[in-house]
Amino acid sequence: QQPVQSPQAVILREGEDAVINCSSSKALYSVHWYRQKHGEAPVFLMILLKGGEQKGHDKISASFNEKKQQSSLYLTASQLSYSGTYFCGTANFGNEKLTFGTGTRLTIIP
Amino acid sequence: DTAVSQTPKYLVTQMGNDKSIKCEQNLGHDTMYWYKQDSKKFLKIMFSYNNKELIINETVPNRFSPKSPDKAHLNLHINSLELGDSAVYFCASSQRLAGGTGELFFGEGSRLTVL
Repeated sequence: QQPVQSPQAVILREGEDAVINCSSSKALYSVHWYRQKHGEAPVFLMILLKGGEQKGHDKISASFNEKKQQSSLYLTASQLSYSGTYFCGTANFGNEKLTFGTGTRLTIIP
Repeated sequence: DTAVSQTPKYLVTQMGNDKSIKCEQNLGHDTMYWYKQDSKKFLKIMFSYNNKELIINETVPNRFSPKSPDKAHLNLHINSLELGDSAVYFCASSQRLAGGTGELFFGEGSRLTVL
């Protein structure tokens, strides 16, 4: 089952904050976040394994709410380099296949 | 040194033809994958191999046949190409299965256009 991401697209000015959500209809074992710039390959950002876990990567952090079967990616004080499409990837208990979400296109303008 | 490399980067071919994409990783990873990214940018897993053994085989037409001669290589052969096969095909590798703690390292992608 493909996780659903929201919003589908967002446009921000440099320095603004953004939140990208990822929801699954099944219990999650892990949530992964990747960023893909136009014409390039997806690049790993972080993995969250435990319910309630939060991780940070520079000014990009994420949380994992096991009960709600969702994860959120937080981009603080966005920079031009943050532009791209963000994908969450989820794996369910008993199935270690990683399924990517629908993607969120983030555009940062000066 | 490119960690995960795919060839060719671009393929343009006619419907009905057969084509292959090759992938090699020099990271020493045990697991390799093929993902398909369509025009809507959805990334879908097609196959996964762990130490040359097929472990994930999604609902993919049997015109697609992966082959892993060793754990550093995973090739994809596509027979009787159709218009709907047009997409970017990404090879990836990970030390552990991606659904657990395995971080995926992607190749640059191979853009296939079927005319």
